[in-house]
Amino acid sequence: EAQVTQNPRYLITVTGKKLTVTCSQNMNHEYMSWYRQDPGLGLRQIYYSMNVEVTDKGDVPEGYKVSRKEKRNFPLILESPSPNQTSLYFCASSSPYGEQYFGPGTRLTVL
Amino acid sequence: AQSVSQHNHHVILSEAASLELGCNYSYGGTVNLFWYVQYPGQHLQLLLKYFSGDPLVKGIKGFEAEFIKSKFSFNLRKPSVQWSDTAEYFCAVNRYSGGGADGLTFGKGTHLIIQP
Repeated sequence: EAQVTQNPRYLITVTGKKLTVTCSQNMNHEYMSWYRQDPGLGLRQIYYSMNVEVTDKGDVPEGYKVSRKEKRNFPLILESPSPNQTSLYFCASSSPYGEQYFGPGTRLTVL
Repeated sequence: AQSVSQHNHHVILSEAASLELGCNYSYGGTVNLFWYVQYPGQHLQLLLKYFSGDPLVKGIKGFEAEFIKSKFSFNLRKPSVQWSDTAEYFCAVNRYSGGGADGLTFGKGTHLIIQP
């Protein structure tokens, strides 16, 4: 079954404590993205990757890092989380035409 | 930078009413167009897509959308809504450049509530 998986699904942490949200896809897609979803703001792209070792900033990259060492995995790293990063995060992989396949989401709360 | 506008942030309808959600985009070149739906507590799922050809596209669950190039619009329609259509709907536009997600922009979403 084609899918995108994310872990963890829920995370409560404290300011400044580094965390990583994992993302994995099994569709052999080259393109992967991270989005955050906030009420009234829709989905905003954080980072995207066009292939292994190729990443670039989206619309709201500040405070986030990503890496793409393998085609299937695209982890999101928050080196020093802050409360304004409390949000719902979605990973997605993309067909060459831009059709996105989304993961189940990670609800992050930073206290 | 391109933008995507969804005109209605909140829509409340009764069951069996007809639905039309507006979506306009600003990019003048070739685009791929999408509507996604997010049911309460779930992730986004593709409702329908337009790449080329017939500008009237049909998606899942009786939804359809019409691409009007001259108006830069891709409005979503359904003749008769059901209570189970209650969800958030997102329009998205991808600039076709041979690339992928780098050109994808989402609208802010429309929260649709269907009353029994």
